[in-house]
Amino acid sequence: KAGVTQTPRYLIKTRGQQVTLSCSPISGHRSVSWYQQTPGQGLQFLFEYFSETQRNKGNFPGRFSGRQFSNSRSEMNVSTLELGDSALYLCASRKYQETQYFGPGTRLLVL
Amino acid sequence: AQTVTQSQPEMSVQEAETVTLSCTYDTSESDYYLFWYKQPPSRQMILVIRQEAYKQQNATENRFSVNFQKAAKSFSLKISDSQLGDAAMYFCAYRGARTQGGSEKLVFGKGTKLTVNP
Repeated sequence: KAGVTQTPRYLIKTRGQQVTLSCSPISGHRSVSWYQQTPGQGLQFLFEYFSETQRNKGNFPGRFSGRQFSNSRSEMNVSTLELGDSALYLCASRKYQETQYFGPGTRLLVL
Repeated sequence: AQTVTQSQPEMSVQEAETVTLSCTYDTSESDYYLFWYKQPPSRQMILVIRQEAYKQQNATENRFSVNFQKAAKSFSLKISDSQLGDAAMYFCAYRGARTQGGSEKLVFGKGTKLTVNP
């Protein structure tokens, strides 16, 4: 069974731009979560989607948004990028109450 | 809010020896899950082991085992017969159980960098 895939793997943007990251979960997994990983803050929860509905949201500004499609694929969007948004963005999928499995991440650099 | 603390930023171990990584957590929930994830230089987060809080028996996966002390809110990871491939960042993580209305987000510790010396 294929694992969680994330695209793109690397991204370079400039301040003020916006970016969209994509995540395809493991087949059969309906829950997708997003995490931001930085050296200073560590791993922080962004949001979780289940059956196209946002179930949880972390403590991030409204510039961070996401959505989930009917095939469980998810996208997250960051608008008006800031230097501090440079991070590894990890996506994880799971079945109900099961373990979360992570994708390889998207490394975003904001210049 | 739940918190997870890993008090050892770095650890090292000789190949073939045993090492224990520490993790403590704080929660008011009685039902939850605990995990250890490994993140090698590739940055891929890999599940090492999982423990359900309602289970008294400590989880084991091959060379990896945990010491789960619910009353003390402690969840340490023991790696036996350490191998060079075990070198990575190890993250302890907590997740509440939805059945108790808990958030199902993962709360991570800051991580422990494990070095394996040949």
